[in-house]
Amino acid sequence: GQSLEQPSEVTAVEGAIVQINCTYQTSGFYGLSWYQQHDGGAPTFLSYNGLDGLEETGRFSSFLSRSDSYGYLLLQELQMKDSASYFCAVRNNAGNMLTFGGGTRLMVKP
Amino acid sequence: DTGVSQNPRHKITKRGQNVTFRCDPISEHNRLYWYRQTLGQGPEFLTYFQNEAQLEKSRLLSDRFSAERPKGSFSTLEIQRTEQGDSAMYLCASTAYRDKNYNEQFFGPGTRLTVL
Repeated sequence: GQSLEQPSEVTAVEGAIVQINCTYQTSGFYGLSWYQQHDGGAPTFLSYNGLDGLEETGRFSSFLSRSDSYGYLLLQELQMKDSASYFCAVRNNAGNMLTFGGGTRLMVKP
Repeated sequence: DTGVSQNPRHKITKRGQNVTFRCDPISEHNRLYWYRQTLGQGPEFLTYFQNEAQLEKSRLLSDRFSAERPKGSFSTLEIQRTEQGDSAMYLCASTAYRDKNYNEQFFGPGTRLTVL
């Protein structure tokens, strides 16, 4: 079977830093992606880690440790518009099919 | 707006009816994916196409579901004999090799299906 675990909710204040963790158990693993989804909106790609280490894109960074089956998304200088759900997703095979976690709902407060 | 469009945006149907959704991917995106998402959950993979070939189908997908991509451009997803459990948001995504080696998927706004 395949499973991804991430916290269901996280709350933080504007300007702060928040880390959303994701652990996974999958039958095949090529890489870990992160997507953002605002209420009523479509998922939007944030990052992809195919190798161990840190990927940085502006205020967002993502980390992967394949040996620990673990990754995280780091959001810095939080803004109100970052309030959304964040999904980690495992790429299982060469076809880039994604298995998504249940999502973490981030609430940013003033 | 990612450039992926889906129609209709909303569909209400009665149990037992057939429904068909359409997805128009970003031009020149040769890979197209269908997902289903229920409230409070992550998207669940249904099937994917590379050009017109359907290369993978989820084992969870009932045989009431069928998808096509006849010319390698737009795709349709049909659900026959709908059941209340089919109520969900149906998402389409597309990508190409230039998009981080297919790793960046662009999602459409979805079709919300309600089965009464």
